Amino acid sequence: AQSVTQPDIHITVSEGASLELRCNYSYGATPYLFWYVQSPGQGLQLLLKYFSGDTLVQGIKGFEAEFKRSQSSFNLRKPSVHWSDAAEYFCAVGGKGGGSNYKLTFGKGTLLTVNP
Amino acid sequence: DVKVTQSSRYLVKRTGEKVFLECVQDMDHENMFWYRQDPGLGLRLIYFSYDVKMKEKGDIPEGYSVSREKKERFSLILESASTNQTSMYLCASRSLKGSTGETYEQYFGPGTRLTVT
Repeated sequence: AQSVTQPDIHITVSEGASLELRCNYSYGATPYLFWYVQSPGQGLQLLLKYFSGDTLVQGIKGFEAEFKRSQSSFNLRKPSVHWSDAAEYFCAVGGKGGGSNYKLTFGKGTLLTVNP
Repeated sequence: DVKVTQSSRYLVKRTGEKVFLECVQDMDHENMFWYRQDPGLGLRLIYFSYDVKMKEKGDIPEGYSVSREKKERFSLILESASTNQTSMYLCASRSLKGSTGETYEQYFGPGTRLTVT
């Protein structure tokens, strides 16, 4: 069974500080990994994704994530947080194609608060 | 840009009513999904449709049904709404043929916050 763990329910950082959100996954085959962001009352927006190749992937809004197969992790980072980054962040794992591989399993989310 | 729209942002219904939540995508995507989102539980998959008239149960299908008569539209039906179905409902779609190769990410609508009283 596939699963995603986001160990931090809530993180508070100061504006301008660096950020790292943790994500650990369990998946029986080659994982496809995603980070989504959700602003209050909104749907989910894709920040970045990893399928293969370079294990450091760049996304929108200055975010990046690093895939570490040995640690089953896909942590999200940003060097300098802006107040507008305050939102909830979801990590997800899935596979490609048909059958049960269509399924995308989400973590329970990390709520980010940014202090001025 | 991919656009996924949901018929209502907010909906209030009474217990026992039949409720229809509509989702439309404009990018000719094969796959469509319905999730519910609850605090502390994250997103849970209710139903999935891999093509027109094709559907598959997700993790929590009880109390729900779906309909996909046209490729662009995926409806979630609550046959007899109950208070424990008060939640945020999110629709998503996915293409199996990305323009730059394999992509497989899901695109989400803005959500419908349903309250059942």
